[in-house]
Amino acid sequence: GAGVSQSPSNKVTEKGKDVELRCDPISGHTALYWYRQRLGQGLEFLIYFQGNSAPDKSGLPSDRFSAERTGESVSTLTIQRTQQEDSAVYLCASSLDRNTIYFGEGSWLTVV
Amino acid sequence: QKEVEQNSGPLSVPEGAIASLNCTYSDRVSQSFFWYRQYSGKSPELIMSIYSNGDKEDGRFTAQLNKASQYVSLLIRDSQPSDSATYLCAVEYSSASKIIFGSGTRLSIRP
Repeated sequence: GAGVSQSPSNKVTEKGKDVELRCDPISGHTALYWYRQRLGQGLEFLIYFQGNSAPDKSGLPSDRFSAERTGESVSTLTIQRTQQEDSAVYLCASSLDRNTIYFGEGSWLTVV
Repeated sequence: QKEVEQNSGPLSVPEGAIASLNCTYSDRVSQSFFWYRQYSGKSPELIMSIYSNGDKEDGRFTAQLNKASQYVSLLIRDSQPSDSATYLCAVEYSSASKIIFGSGTRLSIRP
């Protein structure tokens, strides 16, 4: 596609439920990032995929968070047993050369 | 020490003046630096990237990098109301190849 595509764009879930967020990067981009942005806050690094290398998971806040990527294609971010503090916009970005990254529109998650 | 630090603002600048945004970073071996603009409710968009010490100009924007001081800045000349946004500094951490963002500076251009 022309840009980074994320789905769902909005998700309201009950506390304790699992959610899955999807990211479809720009075709050919080998690097893929997930960030979290709480309301009025900066971007918090979660995880980074680069080609077939082991992902950098150093930003995942707890073991309730996990992410996968199929080759150099789609990625899913899964949050298990959601908590109210997980409410945020989850931004996916992709990059061809590890430098300039392009963001999707984000998945807005509200845990009630 | 945070990896990338910015003054959260808000920074208020009169229309037509120069807005100066600053950022410091902790990784001495970082090689790539970026400024992103984020409007409320929107995703960040890249304004400028800079890789070498000195100044880099693009239209009304100038990025300045000083690796010795671990400092990068963004100047916006002839500020316009449409420049009102949050400006995010980002640094590629070469040791890990991940891009880390600062918390952003809110800029408000007053007419």
